[in-house]
Amino acid sequence: SQQGEEDPQALSIQEGENATMNCSYKTSINNLQWYRQNSGRGLVHLILIRSNEREKHSGRLRVTLDTSKKSSSLLITASRAADTASYFCDINHLTFGTGTRLTIIP
Amino acid sequence: KAGVTQTPRYLIKTRGQQVTLSCSPISGHRSVSWYQQTPGQGLQFLFEYFSETQRNKGNFPGRFSGRQFSNSRSEMNVSTLELGDSALYLCASSFSGIPEAFFGQGTRLTVV
Repeated sequence: SQQGEEDPQALSIQEGENATMNCSYKTSINNLQWYRQNSGRGLVHLILIRSNEREKHSGRLRVTLDTSKKSSSLLITASRAADTASYFCDINHLTFGTGTRLTIIP
Repeated sequence: KAGVTQTPRYLIKTRGQQVTLSCSPISGHRSVSWYQQTPGQGLQFLFEYFSETQRNKGNFPGRFSGRQFSNSRSEMNVSTLELGDSALYLCASSFSGIPEAFFGQGTRLTVV
C-alpha cells in the first residue's frame, strides 16, 4: 500500500499534556505531510517534512522523520481543547491513512 | 484569497438517482483531487485532475466520474446512487509542484 498508517487510531489526553502520534509507510518518499481535520470538515495542512530532513518545528508542533524505519511522528505540546481533531499523514502527495482521532479532555 | 469552495454543502438523494458535486479551487491552482470519506473507510482517493486531464484514479466503480474545466473548476458525478455512497466528499486543490493541498469544507451526501 502506498498510504501511511497512523497509530494509535484514537488517543485521549488531559489538556496541557503532550500528544504523540505516529505514521508508518512502506514506499520511498519525497516528502511527508501532516493534516488536521476537525469533525466533518475539510483537512488543514499542518506541516511538511522532506525526505532529507529529520525534524521540523512549527509552533507547538514537532515532526520527526526516520526514513530508515519508514516512520514519522507528530508531537503536539501543551495540548489545548482546540486540538481535538483527527490527524492524518500524507505520503508524497494526497495519499492518506485512516488517521488518529485525538481528544483533549479539559 | 478565496479558499476551495465546494457546493452544495449538504445533499439528500434517493437510491438510483445521480448527483453532481462541484469544486472551485483556489485561483491559480490547476490540480484538483477528490476524496470520499466514510467512518469505516477513512479518506479514499477518487481521482485527480490537472489541466482538464485525469491524472490519477482511485479504485472506485465506473459510477463515479469527474471532469475539470478550463478554469480549473471540477465536478464529480455519481450515477445510480447506492446507500453506501453516503459520505463526506472532499475536494482539494494544489499549485503545480507544491505538495501542500488546500481542502474545501466538503459536501455531505446522504442517500436514502
